[in-house]
Amino acid sequence: LAKTTQPISMDSYEGQEVNITCSHNNIATNDYITWYQQFPSQGPRFIIQGYKTKVTNEVASLFIPADRKSSTLSLPRVSLSDTAVYYCLVGDMYFDQTGANNLFFGTGTRLTVIP
Amino acid sequence: NAGVTQTPKFQVLKTGQSMTLQCAQDMNHEYMSWYRQDPGMGLRLIHYSVGAGITDQGEVPNGYNVSRSTTEDFPLRLLSAAPSQTSVYFCASSYSTGFTDTQYFGPGTRLTVL
Repeated sequence: LAKTTQPISMDSYEGQEVNITCSHNNIATNDYITWYQQFPSQGPRFIIQGYKTKVTNEVASLFIPADRKSSTLSLPRVSLSDTAVYYCLVGDMYFDQTGANNLFFGTGTRLTVIP
Repeated sequence: NAGVTQTPKFQVLKTGQSMTLQCAQDMNHEYMSWYRQDPGMGLRLIHYSVGAGITDQGEVPNGYNVSRSTTEDFPLRLLSAAPSQTSVYFCASSYSTGFTDTQYFGPGTRLTVL
C-alpha cells in the first residue's frame, strides 16, 4: 500500500472552503484514492473516492493532478458539524482474496471548525 | 438494514478477565475486520476475515482471537485482558477485499481494563 502523508490538524471558520491535501508519492498505477471521515465517538465513514482528475459528490470534491502524487479533499462552506478527522487512503483497485488490501488509516487530519 | 452493529457499547474489565465483543452485519458482506483506536492514533487492524471459516491476523493480533462461523457474525475475544488493551474497538465490513469497496463501520465499543 502506498504511504500517505497529510497535515495533523487544521482549523477553519464556518462558511469557508477547506482543502486538505494528501501526499502519496509512491502511488501505483492500479491504486485508487479514498477519503474517510470520522466524527468523535463514531466509526469512520466513506466520503469520496477517485482515480484521476476531479470527482464530486454531495459532500465533497476530490482533486487529483495528472501525476497522482497528491490529492486534495475540498469541503465547501464548512459548518460546525464538519469537525472531524479526515483520513486519506490509497490502495489497489483489484479484488484481493488474501486481504492484502486492508485499509491503513494512519492518524488523519483533525479538522476543527470554529464559529 | 441495520448495517454493522456492535455490542456492548461500553465495557469495564479487570486485568485477567476475558470477554467477547460482538459484531454483526446484515449486508451479506464477505469481508469483515476489527480495528482498535487509541487516543491520538489512527485505526490499527487486529484481525480480519475474507469469508466464513477464514480468518487472518492484522497488524496487532496479540491477545485477541476471532472466528467466523457465519457470514453475518465476527466476534472478537479477549483472552486475558490487560490495561494495554484499553481502547475503542471498531468492527467493519465490505462486499469484498477490493480497495474500492466501501468499508462500513460499526459504532464502536469503548473498553477500559483496570
